[in-house]
Amino acid sequence: TQLLEQSPQFLSIQEGENLTVYCNSSSVFSSLQWYRQEPGEGPVLLVTVVTGGEVKKLKRLTFQFGDARKDSSLHITAAQPGDTGLYLCAGARDQAGTALIFGKGTTLSVSS
Amino acid sequence: GAVVSQHPSRVICKSGTSVKIECRSLDFQATTMFWYRQFPKQSLMLMATSNEGSKATYEQGVEKDKFLINHASLTLSTLTVTSAHPEDSSFYICSARQPAGVSGGEQFFGPGTRLTVL
Repeated sequence: TQLLEQSPQFLSIQEGENLTVYCNSSSVFSSLQWYRQEPGEGPVLLVTVVTGGEVKKLKRLTFQFGDARKDSSLHITAAQPGDTGLYLCAGARDQAGTALIFGKGTTLSVSS
Repeated sequence: GAVVSQHPSRVICKSGTSVKIECRSLDFQATTMFWYRQFPKQSLMLMATSNEGSKATYEQGVEKDKFLINHASLTLSTLTVTSAHPEDSSFYICSARQPAGVSGGEQFFGPGTRLTVL
């Protein structure tokens, strides 16, 4: 069974601080996606990483896929209150990228 | 990105009744759609994979007779919660997968349906 361990589960920081969220597995994933979800809404895709060692940047967000494609990280620089939300990592279970396995999520709260 | 809609967004029903939730891909054809369930402050749990024109594949522990899934067209999948009970109250989210040759076959999520069973 493929599992994704996501940490930390909860994070409460001040505006301007940096943070990193980790997603780890003992299994290899063909791709890994990061989502952000606000209460009462569906997850919104932030990024997809496919290649081992890949780094993608989305404004103040930096995503990295581990060389072995078993782990990933999300780093936010100078967090803002608008970054508050639930961050989810999800790994594609097979080459066709069908079902996604979700981590337990990281609830981020950024206060001003 | 691609747009996926869900209807209704909220539904309140009495125990014992059945509720149908629709998931539509608005601007692309989705041969595969997925249904997830999410409890407060928790992650998404995959319930079933819905393939157009064939029977859904259910995850272990999900009752197929209770959660009926129909994927009659390339843009519509429905989830019917039959004989709903209060423990079925949850946030149900669908996602639709673009064809493998489009955007790497990424999944896009609907806005979710909040089901409350009294």
